[in-house]
Amino acid sequence: SQQGEEDPQALSIQEGENATMNCSYKTSINNLQWYRQNSGRGLVHLILIRSNEREKHSGRLRVTLDTSKKSSSLLITASRAADTASYFCATDRETSGSRLTFGEGTQLTVNP
Amino acid sequence: DADVTQTPRNRITKTGKRIMLECSQTKGHDRMYWYRQDPGLGLRLIYYSFDVKDINKGEISDGYSVSRQAQAKFSLSLESAIPNQTALYFCATSGLWPVGSPLHFGNGTRLTVT
Repeated sequence: SQQGEEDPQALSIQEGENATMNCSYKTSINNLQWYRQNSGRGLVHLILIRSNEREKHSGRLRVTLDTSKKSSSLLITASRAADTASYFCATDRETSGSRLTFGEGTQLTVNP
Repeated sequence: DADVTQTPRNRITKTGKRIMLECSQTKGHDRMYWYRQDPGLGLRLIYYSFDVKDINKGEISDGYSVSRQAQAKFSLSLESAIPNQTALYFCATSGLWPVGSPLHFGNGTRLTVT
């Protein structure tokens, strides 16, 4: 079964709005990563947050991690049409031997 | 040039045929992975290799085999293709350090088994 479950499955917003995607997982992790995938292309790493961190920022991206709730969120501020893509969370579980387990993804559409 | 290159980009094959998907990388990474992506199921790990002499099964290895010919090359074979192996296949690499290094993906091979 998938370690990560993402919510919502699809999100449609207007340019300039913020987009928030959530990821829940089941077992203890070493770190959690977010990736982006443009249609039919390979995934691109966005940001990594370790289990002892609560929040990280990278440009317009903000990631939070709540290990007590086993959940993470990705916030994209001031979204642009070019942010349209699928976003995946991936967990590096403590028992996984550094193998990532991916969620099913959130399809984000940013309308101009 | 892409750091992680997959060939072919698209492949159509018939049920029962043996096919090979190839991956090469110029990143100098020791770790290489093969993932499969199906709509609504995210990515699932097929096989992974942490160095040339190390091969490990992932979640869904049945019907697949791999070969790590060199640090830079990792190929995936379907011994006898079946229609439910129709999917988008990704090769990825990662470094050994720091712990939890992110994955670097190729652009995928779209495989159709008829």
